[in-house]
Amino acid sequence: QQQVKQSPQSLIVQKGGISIINCAYENTAFDYFPWYQQFPGKGPALLIAIRPDVSEKKEGRFTISFNKSAKQFSLHIMDSQPGDSATYFCAASQVSYGKLTFGQGTILTVHP
Amino acid sequence: DVKVTQSSRYLVKRTGEKVFLECVQDMDHENMFWYRQDPGLGLRLIYFSYDVKMKEKGDIPEGYSVSREKKERFSLILESASTNQTSMYLCASSLTRGGQPQHFGDGTRLSIL
Repeated sequence: QQQVKQSPQSLIVQKGGISIINCAYENTAFDYFPWYQQFPGKGPALLIAIRPDVSEKKEGRFTISFNKSAKQFSLHIMDSQPGDSATYFCAASQVSYGKLTFGQGTILTVHP
Repeated sequence: DVKVTQSSRYLVKRTGEKVFLECVQDMDHENMFWYRQDPGLGLRLIYFSYDVKMKEKGDIPEGYSVSREKKERFSLILESASTNQTSMYLCASSLTRGGQPQHFGDGTRLSIL
């Protein structure tokens, strides 16, 4: 059972454009929602994370939007750059438990 | 910086062999995790450990076991390797149980022939 569904599977964006990746979850006990970025040949690395007590969190060009009632959250990358080309994973967990459930991943390609 | 080191980047084994994947972290983290990564399926948790000699099953533990004899080292064992275990295996560690970043190694690409 896939408890976190991520879309799209792949995304192509022009340099300077906005990249948007969406995730939906089922378990209402989840209370921690991180996004990980993975470059080829490397392990994933934490990019940004949000708790459900806020609806938006911004760090530089990266923003998480969170909709608790819809059980959805999304990653927005503003002014996308070729260096942002990577695979992005959303995830969810219960803080008290610590086990992360990952989405299927999105391969982002930013054309120069 | 936290460093999670996986012993092999690439590994080729035969069906039926017992396979050991090793992972070491250098930041005294309590928690360690083993995932497998397959295209279109994301990362799926195999086993995790909150402390030395403790282990808990993840979402896909069948065909795998783990060992954590020392805090810094977490081993994944394929008891009798099968072709459907060909995959990328990722180890991770985190400082405490939840709400903390998981730090990943660069993975072991395992091929079972």
